[in-house]
This record gives sequence, structure tokens and C-alpha cells, in this order.
Amino acid sequence: EAGVAQSPRYKIIEKRQSVAFWCNPISGHATLYWYQQILGQGPKLLIQFQNNGVVDDSQLPKDRFSAERLKGVDSTLKIQPAKLEDSAVYLCASGTVKGQGNGYTFGSGTRLTVV
Amino acid sequence: QKEVEQNSGPLSVPEGAIASLNCTYSDRGSQSFFWYRQYSGKSPELIMFIYSNGDKEDGRFTAQLNKASQYVSLLIRDSQPSDSATYLCAPSGSARQLTFGSGTQLTVLP
Repeated sequence: EAGVAQSPRYKIIEKRQSVAFWCNPISGHATLYWYQQILGQGPKLLIQFQNNGVVDDSQLPKDRFSAERLKGVDSTLKIQPAKLEDSAVYLCASGTVKGQGNGYTFGSGTRLTVV
Repeated sequence: QKEVEQNSGPLSVPEGAIASLNCTYSDRGSQSFFWYRQYSGKSPELIMFIYSNGDKEDGRFTAQLNKASQYVSLLIRDSQPSDSATYLCAPSGSARQLTFGSGTQLTVLP
């Protein structure tokens, strides 16, 4: 089965600019997650979707971050305006809702550098 | 208090030894527990999960869970240099979201 696709792989922007990341989950996976991983730290959940509805966005900085999942498939995460502290890898993951042992699969991530 | 705490390491073991990675968590409602391995510059990959108290073995990996003590561990037997990576512990919340610890960096010395 095809994995989780993310693009772009790398992005360098200046502070106060905007940026968008795209994710295509594994076919049939109802849940989709965006995580932020700062260097030396574990991934931190930003937002969780189930189909096209938001399940948890409690840790999403809503003044600058937004995310959507149209038609319950692809998702985009946007940052506007970016700050230096947003420099991180943004990971998308998808999973199923069945069974206890179904951890989810991560995409290769987008490495964002804000200068 | 951090939700998920791991021994930060770095942890170094000689090739062929047993590596022991530990994790404690604060959410008593957590039901499933996952271990991910992350090579430098790569994304995390799932290697083990456990949801019942006791031990679960898969090849050279053994996960141990003690819900009363809110403790989960991962043992890697016969460690190989290819096991050198950061290991992330992740309990699953009520909505199946995973909360990750900061990870333990493991180095297996040839």
C-alpha cells in the first residue's frame, strides 16, 4: 500500500511570510494528524481529523495556524504569519479507527526553516 | 509535570547486549501504548504496541506494561548497530491520539 505523502520536503521562508503544507493519507484511513517536531523533542500533536471533522485542535496556535481536510482525504496545514520558533519538521500521519493496536503511519515530513 | 517521561539518554550499549528503554506516563486513562523508532532525519516508524499488563515479545523486542505503576518499557535483545536511533514512547488517548515523549537516543557500539 502507498504510504502517507507529504509535500514539500523542505521549505525556507522569512519570518512573517506564509507557508502551506500538503498531506495525502493512506487510502481508507479515516483519521489524519498533523504533528510538529522541534529538533531534539518528540512530536507534538497540532490537530486531529476524523474524516473531514476536527477531533482535537487544542494545541493548534489558532492565531497563526490553520488546517483543513476537504472531503475527508487530503489535508493542508497553513502558517500565517510565520515566526522563528515555527522552525520544525511538520509530520502528517494517518490511521484507522479499528482495533487497539493500530498505531498510525507517518509521512516523511516537511522541514520548515524560518529565517 | 510532563505527560510522558522517558530517560533522555543518550544510552550506549555494546553490540549484542540488552538495551532497556523506560517510559512513565501521567494519563491513567491511557489504554494502548506504542513504541516508535526514529532514525536521524527520518520520520517515526511503529515497532511495537502493547495494551495488556505484562510482556509482549516480537522478535528481539519485548514491551513491558504496568498500568498500576504507569510504566512501560522496551527491551531490545542482541542489540545491533542498526538499532541506533531515537526511541519514542507514545500512550494513546481516548480519541486515539498519541502523546509522545521526548525520546531516548540509543547508540549500539560495534
